[in-house]
Amino acid sequence: EAQVTQNPRYLITVTGKKLTVTCSQNMNHEYMSWYRQDPGLGLRQIYYSMNVEVTDKGDVPEGYKVSRKEKRNFPLILESPSPNQTSLYFCASSRRDHQETQYFGPGTRLLVL
Amino acid sequence: KNQVEQSPQSLIILEGKNCTLQCNYTVSPFSNLRWYKQDTGRGPVSLTIMTFSENTKSNGRYTATLDADTKQSSLHITASQLSDSASYICVVTGDRGSTLGRLYFGRGTQLTVWP
Repeated sequence: EAQVTQNPRYLITVTGKKLTVTCSQNMNHEYMSWYRQDPGLGLRQIYYSMNVEVTDKGDVPEGYKVSRKEKRNFPLILESPSPNQTSLYFCASSRRDHQETQYFGPGTRLLVL
Repeated sequence: KNQVEQSPQSLIILEGKNCTLQCNYTVSPFSNLRWYKQDTGRGPVSLTIMTFSENTKSNGRYTATLDADTKQSSLHITASQLSDSASYICVVTGDRGSTLGRLYFGRGTQLTVWP
């Protein structure tokens, strides 16, 4: 089954404690991306990757890091989480040319105390 | 500035009625425009995707239109059902240069269908 998986689905942490949210896709997609969604603001792109070892900043990259060492995985790293990073996070993947649909993961709810 | 604006912000309709959601964008050049449906707390699901050369695309009761000259798109829902209650998001993909690979999201229209 074609899918994007994220782990964990729910996470409560404290300010400053490094965390990683994993994202994996099984569709051999070149393009992967991370978004955060906050009430009233809609989805905002954090980082995206056009292919292995190629990453670029989206609209709200501050406080986040990513890596793309393998085609299927695109982890999101919060080196020192802060309460304003409390949000719902989505990972997504698609073909590089974007001419087909982008598949979204189920989301990760993060609470930073 | 590359932006995507959606209207209305929220909409309530009765079951069985039709409705139309609007999307205006300034992203240029753009590769394609998509409409997504997002149920609360879940990831968006694609409804339609159109390139700049297409002006209409249907998916069951959903019909999207695109006018690349005026940079406007609409999503028409026919014979609404209770399960149509969701947020509908318009997304424009940048084509090249500084916008290549960037996705620009509207804030969505929250649709509620009442019985």
